[in-house]
Amino acid sequence: AQSVTQLDSHVSVSEGTPVLLRCNYSSSYSPSLFWYVQHPNKGLQLLLKYTSAATLVKGINGFEAEFKKSETSFHLTKPSAHMSDAAEYFCVVSAGNSGNTPLVFGKGTRLSVIA
Amino acid sequence: DVKVTQSSRYLVKRTGEKVFLECVQDMDHENMFWYRQDPGLGLRLIYFSYDVKMKEKGDIPEGYSVSREKKERFSLILESASTNQTSMYLCASSFGGTHPYEQYFGPGTRLTVT
Repeated sequence: AQSVTQLDSHVSVSEGTPVLLRCNYSSSYSPSLFWYVQHPNKGLQLLLKYTSAATLVKGINGFEAEFKKSETSFHLTKPSAHMSDAAEYFCVVSAGNSGNTPLVFGKGTRLSVIA
Repeated sequence: DVKVTQSSRYLVKRTGEKVFLECVQDMDHENMFWYRQDPGLGLRLIYFSYDVKMKEKGDIPEGYSVSREKKERFSLILESASTNQTSMYLCASSFGGTHPYEQYFGPGTRLTVT
């Protein structure tokens, strides 16, 4: 079965410093991978997605993620954190490789940004 | 813009009541999903549907049922609400087809069962 592991439940960074949120996946085929963000009391918003094209994926708000097959990782990064980045982030893998399969969510990483 | 709407943001029900949560999407998506979100557990899939009148169990279907009579509407039903069903419920939709598409989420319904 496909799964994702978010290696940190909570990450705290200072404003202006880099962000790294770590995600490892397990999949028996070439996966589709996603990162979602959830701000307090808001719905989930797609940050970026990987679907077997370029391994470095750029998303919204300056975030990017790199697909590394050899390491089974899909870490999310941002060069410089902003206060508005404080939120919960979810790494997600497709449960199958067709359009009729659900997504499998990690347990989330809460990002705190300190002024 | 894709819009997924849920019938209520906040709901308080009593134990044993039958509860209906409604979800509507306006993008003609084939797939619709119901999740519950609990602190430290992430999102867990309850049921999903990839076509009208079709449904598939997710990871935690016990105590829930669903209905999809029209393409744009997907309802989650708690037959007899219990306190352990107090949670945030999220609806999502996506295109179907040959490969996985991203899902679009509604704002959520925070259900409290007392």
